[in-house]
Amino acid sequence: NAGVTQTPKFQVLKTGQSMTLQCAQDMNHNSMYWYRQDPGMGLRLIYYSASEGTTDKGEVPNGYNVSRLNKREFSLRLESAAPSQTSVYFCASSDWLGIVTEAFFGQGTRLTVV
Amino acid sequence: EDQVTQSPEALRLQEGESSSLNCSYTVSGLRGLFWYRQDPGKGPEFLFTLYSAGEEKEKERLKATLTKKESFLHITAPKPEDSATYLCAVQAMMTSGTYKYIFGTGTRLKVLA
Repeated sequence: NAGVTQTPKFQVLKTGQSMTLQCAQDMNHNSMYWYRQDPGMGLRLIYYSASEGTTDKGEVPNGYNVSRLNKREFSLRLESAAPSQTSVYFCASSDWLGIVTEAFFGQGTRLTVV
Repeated sequence: EDQVTQSPEALRLQEGESSSLNCSYTVSGLRGLFWYRQDPGKGPEFLFTLYSAGEEKEKERLKATLTKKESFLHITAPKPEDSATYLCAVQAMMTSGTYKYIFGTGTRLKVLA
């Protein structure tokens, strides 16, 4: 009963390096999200995918790209990392099913850009 | 603009000392309000969903209530294991016609033995 799985859990990058954060869910959810969490800022939406094959920008998309690889997997890519991207990144998934449902979160990826 | 504000930012309680956390919101057409618990180094863990004003949900020492402008998370006789950050979120419609979750910045609760 894994839920939402994120890899890696920790990562240190040098400025300008690239990396991809991986996320997979096993709950057959249609919608998936990437958030970043910074002290005093709360969780802010980077990108989301309402369903397989679609992706849209959230409130802080600059410097990121995403890929919805299939219904299970949604990856977040940093093409050229900057110190301002030091944060904790959370992937989440949910499904509407015609009623309001909660989002389920992964354990997070703690990223430091030096 | 859709917004969620939580207060207080931090709260220290003695074990057994009951209190309430506040979540005020402005959102166009509330579909649901959610409470989450987050432990250090972990992802948010779902606690409750509230759909309409007047609704209440309970789980052990926690009770969540909802009005048209705010929600409260009441903690009765808390224990040290209740120490965590409590997050409030609302569901809002995006221009694409789908929904997103808007989070408050949370209340850090510390319960002292």
